[in-house]
Amino acid sequence: SQELEQSPQSLIVQEGKNLTINCTSSKTLYGLYWYKQKYGEGLIFLMMLQKGGEEKSHEKITAKLDEKKQQSSLHITASQPSHAGIYLCGDSHVGGGSEKLVFGKGTKLTVNP
Amino acid sequence: SQTIHQWPATLVQPVGSPLSLECTVEGTSNPNLYWYRQAAGRGLQLLFYSVGIGQISSEVPQNLSASRPQDRQFILSSKKLLLSDSGFYLCAWSVIQGYTEAFFGQGTRLTVV
Repeated sequence: SQELEQSPQSLIVQEGKNLTINCTSSKTLYGLYWYKQKYGEGLIFLMMLQKGGEEKSHEKITAKLDEKKQQSSLHITASQPSHAGIYLCGDSHVGGGSEKLVFGKGTKLTVNP
Repeated sequence: SQTIHQWPATLVQPVGSPLSLECTVEGTSNPNLYWYRQAAGRGLQLLFYSVGIGQISSEVPQNLSASRPQDRQFILSSKKLLLSDSGFYLCAWSVIQGYTEAFFGQGTRLTVV
């Protein structure tokens, strides 16, 4: 079965600093999701990447997909305390006639003011 | 617009007691439905997914079962809870075709004592 490895597992940065979170798949990546989770809450969809080399941005968050490396990266510019949370990458793949979603273990981000 | 409801938000149950968590989706038809569990250090683990009424796929052997009695209703159950069933349970839905994002409920924090 596919595994998604995220690095780092946790990250503490000072407000205003840039940071990058990586997600590597054990299988070919045809697309990737990025989600954010506040502690004790559901997941909020950030963005989805479907094509190799694709790059998307939402406010100060940019994600890229490198399908050759089976990897995606999430970059936050000028981090703010509101960026704190758990970031999860996910992939859907066909199983049993439908698409099932699997996720990495997440990266816990702390932004100190 | 589509919404997903999950309840209860928190639950404390004794070992050996039964469990029933309910998830309902509004505003869409024939969705893919998912149950996930999130435990410390283990990430977001896919437990069950369903492509239609009565169609349940289990990802991991466990003390839990799932049912889909109606198109937009997904129920997670156990006859006898174990301490290891404690965790944060999340329900999610997605459209049944195409590479699209999943939408998550707010989760249920289950503590088995």
